[in-house]
Amino acid sequence: EAGVVQSPRYKIIEKKQPVAFWCNPISGHNTLYWYLQNLGQGPELLIRYENEEAVDDSQLPKDRFSAERLKGVDSTLKIQPAELGDSAVYLCASSSGPYNEQFFGPGTRLTVL
Amino acid sequence: KNEVEQSPQNLTAQEGEFITINCSYSVGISALHWLQQHPGGGIVSLFMLSSGKKKHGRLIATINIQEKHSSLHITASHPRDSAVYICAVRYGGSQGNLIFGKGTKLSVKP
Repeated sequence: EAGVVQSPRYKIIEKKQPVAFWCNPISGHNTLYWYLQNLGQGPELLIRYENEEAVDDSQLPKDRFSAERLKGVDSTLKIQPAELGDSAVYLCASSSGPYNEQFFGPGTRLTVL
Repeated sequence: KNEVEQSPQNLTAQEGEFITINCSYSVGISALHWLQQHPGGGIVSLFMLSSGKKKHGRLIATINIQEKHSSLHITASHPRDSAVYICAVRYGGSQGNLIFGKGTKLSVKP
């Protein structure tokens, strides 16, 4: 069975450009997470979905970040416009429930020039 | 603020050595996770525990609820164990969300 799939794996853009990341969770996993991981730090939660509902987006910088999970399966995270400080790894994870083991994707490494 | 502290930040060991990585947290939790992250980003869950001790192969995880402390031990370490080990906790009021430590970077030399 496939794990959590993310694309692209790497992205390099210039500041002020938009960028989007895509995540396909493990089949049947209703809970989906987007995390931000800076170099030398642990992951930090950006948003958590239960099916298509964003149940915790308190840490998502809503002035430039947006996310959607329209059909409750795959999800897209967007940044517009990107800033230099957004350079990081963006991780997607899924689980069968909010209190169950999380399975992580390989991440997207974003570099903003 | 709920915090998760790991020590050491970096650890270099010779192949075969016994390794201990520590994690401490500030308030009561419902669960603690140990995860492994290899270069390239992929994170794998090693253990989820709320009390006592768990063992899987050469890895052992323990937790002391009273002292708010957990340890991850690796016996007979091998160069393939080289990775970043991350402790994460789920606090009672966190709606299931995990709070992650900064990780411990382990390098095992042959």
